[in-house]
Amino acid sequence: DQQVKQNSPSLSVQEGRISILNCDYTNSMFDYFLWYKKYPAEGPTFLISISSIKDKNEDGRFTVFLNKSAKHLSLHIVPSQPGDSAVYFCAASPGGGADGLTFGKGTHLIIQP
Amino acid sequence: DAGVIQSPRHEVTEMGQEVTLRCKPISGHNSLFWYRQTMMRGLELLIYFNNNVPIDDSGMPEDRFSAKMPNASFSTLKIQPSEPRDSAVYFCASSRTNTEAFFGQGTRLTVV
Repeated sequence: DQQVKQNSPSLSVQEGRISILNCDYTNSMFDYFLWYKKYPAEGPTFLISISSIKDKNEDGRFTVFLNKSAKHLSLHIVPSQPGDSAVYFCAASPGGGADGLTFGKGTHLIIQP
Repeated sequence: DAGVIQSPRHEVTEMGQEVTLRCKPISGHNSLFWYRQTMMRGLELLIYFNNNVPIDDSGMPEDRFSAKMPNASFSTLKIQPSEPRDSAVYFCASSRTNTEAFFGQGTRLTVV
């Protein structure tokens, strides 16, 4: 029973264009959402987060959107750069931190030159 | 800050052997997490500690797995006896209260 779902195992985007990664969740108790980025042979690194009291959070080229009614969030990267090629994990927790964090299976983003 | 430090980075062992994975969390962090990553199941939380006390071990797959945190700067995950299906990448992560988790580089375990 997957509580956090990333339905696209991979996504290919041309350099300079917008990358949109999607994530759906089923647990209504989740109120804090995060995106992690993972390069091969490294651990996931925190990218951006959003709490349920907001519907948008922006940090440079990265923006996360939250639609609570649809239980859906998305990560927008614009413009996409070659260094953005990585696996992106969506994660959610019922509190404001890492306790009880549940991860999706990840989306492999490939930025093509 | 050195980040979360895991050892070893790679471990190859024979089925039936005991395996011990080690983790040093970031200094000052009061929560520590052990995750397992596989192709089939993605990143799964195995257990987490808060202030060195195990809070939720519901993700530990079976009695062959055990984890300890004897002090704030060290934790171990032990598998005994190991089986081929335990082959995965095991991540340790740490955090302060109400902040994001910081991950180590992982231990790639192969059980043959």
